[in-house]
Amino acid sequence: EAEVAQSPRYKITEKSQAVAFWCDPISGHATLYWYRQILGQGPELLVQFQDESVVDDSQLPKDRFSAERLKGVDSTLKIQPAELGDSAMYLCASRSGYNEQFFGPGTRLTVL
Amino acid sequence: RKEVEQDPGPFNVPEGATVAFNCTYSNSASQSFFWYRQDCRKEPKLLMSVYSSGNEDGRFTAQLNRASQYISLLIRDSKLSDSATYLCVVAGGGADGLTFGKGTHLIIQP
Repeated sequence: EAEVAQSPRYKITEKSQAVAFWCDPISGHATLYWYRQILGQGPELLVQFQDESVVDDSQLPKDRFSAERLKGVDSTLKIQPAELGDSAMYLCASRSGYNEQFFGPGTRLTVL
Repeated sequence: RKEVEQDPGPFNVPEGATVAFNCTYSNSASQSFFWYRQDCRKEPKLLMSVYSSGNEDGRFTAQLNRASQYISLLIRDSKLSDSATYLCVVAGGGADGLTFGKGTHLIIQP
């Protein structure tokens, strides 16, 4: 069964450092999402791509976060500089048409 | 006011019992409704979509009340493996991404 791939699975960094997360959606899925899930909360949408274009990044803290999907396939989410409050699970999801969103296993970020 | 509100629990329920969760949503323009299940330190997975007419999948029944902006999930004959966090999710209403509640933590006890 096709899955959304994410790496790394775990990342520990010090505040003020730069971090990057990678996501490879299910093949053929045009829509890709990045969510952030803080412990004890539900996931919150950060950015949505349709192919290579950003559809919604209204909740992305643009002073430190950036996301790209240059060829409309895999995607990278970057944080620079990381802050203590960025510690969370970063989830990538993809979707084909109006069907179910499938989530990857996530990257668990700890900022020290 | 949060967009999707759920009782975080935990709900401690004996095996075999019936348990019900509710959630409310604030955006009346929301168009799609779901229950997702999330196991500890895992990604959310779709449990079932929720339709106005109500729908059932085995031991699980979901219902939607658009007038009251209220969604429910009923689990019958609960199993130990049902222990998880259940996330109420809405979509549409101008946004394509999913809006999640905080989740309700369910613990099934032997």
